[in-house]
Formats: sequence, C-alpha cells, structure tokens
Amino acid sequence: ETGVTQSPTHLIKTRGQQVTLRCSSQSGHNTVSWYQQALGQGPQFIFQYYREEENGRGNFPPRFSGLQFPNYSSELNVNALELDDSALYLCASSLYAGIVGNEQFFGPGTRLTVL
Amino acid sequence: ELKVEQNPLFLSMQEEKNYTIYCNYSTTSDRLYWYRQDPGKSLESLFVLLSNGAVKQEGRLMASLDTKARLSTLHITAAVHDLSATYFCAGTPMDSNYQLIWGAGTKLIIKP
Repeated sequence: ETGVTQSPTHLIKTRGQQVTLRCSSQSGHNTVSWYQQALGQGPQFIFQYYREEENGRGNFPPRFSGLQFPNYSSELNVNALELDDSALYLCASSLYAGIVGNEQFFGPGTRLTVL
Repeated sequence: ELKVEQNPLFLSMQEEKNYTIYCNYSTTSDRLYWYRQDPGKSLESLFVLLSNGAVKQEGRLMASLDTKARLSTLHITAAVHDLSATYFCAGTPMDSNYQLIWGAGTKLIIKP
C-alpha cells in the first residue's frame, strides 16, 4: 500500500509569483484535502476534492485553487503569492463515506517560503 | 462554528511521569481525532474517537471522549523520551464534515 506523497519537498518563491504543489493520494482513497500550517500553529483547512469536484472550502481567498485528476491525485495552485503564504502545505487523503467524514492520512508536506 | 482548544500548549515532564492533555470543543462534533507531529514532519494519526465514552489505547497513550462535556483527553502513562512531539486534537463539524478543525497543539518535551 502506497502512502500519501507530495512534491516538491521545499520551495522558495518571491512575492507575486504563482506556485503549484502536487499530491498523490494513498492507494484506494478517492478524496484529497489540503491544509496550510503556519509555524507553531495547527493546520487550517483550505479545501477538499472528491471525484474531481471541490467538495468544501475553508476561509481562503480565490487565489488558492485546486484540481483533482481521474487517478485521484491533486494539485494546489496559489496565485499572487504573499509573504503570509509561507507555511507547510499538507495534503491528506481519505475514503469518502457519504455524510460521515473519514480518517485522513497526511503526506509529508511541502514547505513553501515566500520572500 | 466549531472551535477546538487544547491545554496546556506546552508541557515539559520527566520520564516515568503521567500527564494528561485536554481538548475542549465548542459545538457538537462528528468525531474527534488525535494526531502526533514530530518537528519538521507531517501528521501521524493516533486515535479516532467516534462516540461518547469511547476509549482507545496504544502503548503508553490513551484517549477518551466525553461528548456531553465536549471534552477529549490524551493520557500519557510513564512517559518516555520517544513520546516527545507536538500533539493535536481535531474535530469534524456536523454541518461540514469534510474538514478537520484543529487545536493549536500541545508541545510535549520529555526529559530523560
């Protein structure tokens, strides 16, 4: 069984640039969620994708967008980067079970630094 | 809106001692999770608590859930250095069960 993988591991960008982060879900999982974790804080939910559609979104501006592909892998895109976007971005996969949320398994994360 | 609060936020303890981390949440939650995070690493799932009175144990860690008090606890028995990490609890809002709402985390340092 393959776990959740993310790429790249680290990334340095400058303010105003755009970035794409990638995630491969755990084998058998059809749902991907993205979280932002600032240093010293708990993760904040960005959005979730299920069957290639956005299934729910947290309090993040539209410049945070995503995609899910038929193989359930996913991308997080952030446009017009700001200094406050510097954080660890975590992808989590789960098996969606209708109205009841399921356990989420996390990838190793991508550390984004915006200068 | 679900809010999750943990305390303490920082805990330094000696090996072989017992201690408890508390997780309070503000409204009904679908379920309650405990995760561990080592420095610079991702989140490792420890426990999923589904119903009132649920108790789960793994090694020196035991988690419980009291839905009436909106309280979950993570109890550490006879701590060892390897348990040093940051521990997070997270809940799932009833009206948006696709997301996890997280506490701020408890940084646990266990001294030999």
